[in-house]
Amino acid sequence: QPVLTQSSSASASLGSSVKLTCTLSSGHSTYTIAWHQQKSGKAPQFLLQLEDSGRYHLGTGVPNRFSGSSSGSDRHLTISNVQSEDEADYYCEAWDSNIHVFGGGTKVTVL
Amino acid sequence: EVQLVQSGGGLVQPGGSLRLSCVASGFTFRTSAMSWVRQAPGKGLEWVSTITGRGTGTYYADSVRGRFTVSRDNSKTTLFVEINSLRTEDTAIYYCAKSGSDEDGFDIWGQGTMVTVSS
Repeated sequence: QPVLTQSSSASASLGSSVKLTCTLSSGHSTYTIAWHQQKSGKAPQFLLQLEDSGRYHLGTGVPNRFSGSSSGSDRHLTISNVQSEDEADYYCEAWDSNIHVFGGGTKVTVL
Repeated sequence: EVQLVQSGGGLVQPGGSLRLSCVASGFTFRTSAMSWVRQAPGKGLEWVSTITGRGTGTYYADSVRGRFTVSRDNSKTTLFVEINSLRTEDTAIYYCAKSGSDEDGFDIWGQGTMVTVSS
């Protein structure tokens, strides 16, 4: 199973952009992943699914300020025009043969 | 509206049992793999178990295998997990989650239900 590595924290100023990274372990660089957002005290919400090609599919109702990109084993989530409501924990998820794994999560603070 | 509504949970003594439920609506339940994911207080997300759309395949994390049993009733669009031999380390919020199909990532989450294991 892949191991997903995320930075523990990131910050961004209102109206700026922030790029989060999820790195797949060796031998798993072609995996598709998903990004999920979890606001404090709430259930996670699906944001987008991201392929190794860089093609991504936004979840229903997710603002297009959220986008994905890929580079080798890295899967990125970019939040453009950061808003105060984007302050949350962000988790990446991968799966293989119905076994799912999550990264440790990145806490995003909006300054 | 696509929705997962959870019930069950509560305070249980170590060694006790519990059953959690997750009622689905707004999508074709029988074609979607369904899963349980938990989150211990202050920690990240941990995948627990998955069941395929037809219920013919079940998968478990090593930490729960042999104690948790996932099942589904497609006629009632409901997902279950039976939790036995509860340990203090099972204390967590439990979420049900839907996949787009068998062997796909999660695209819908339930609201979560708290399980506290304590004497």
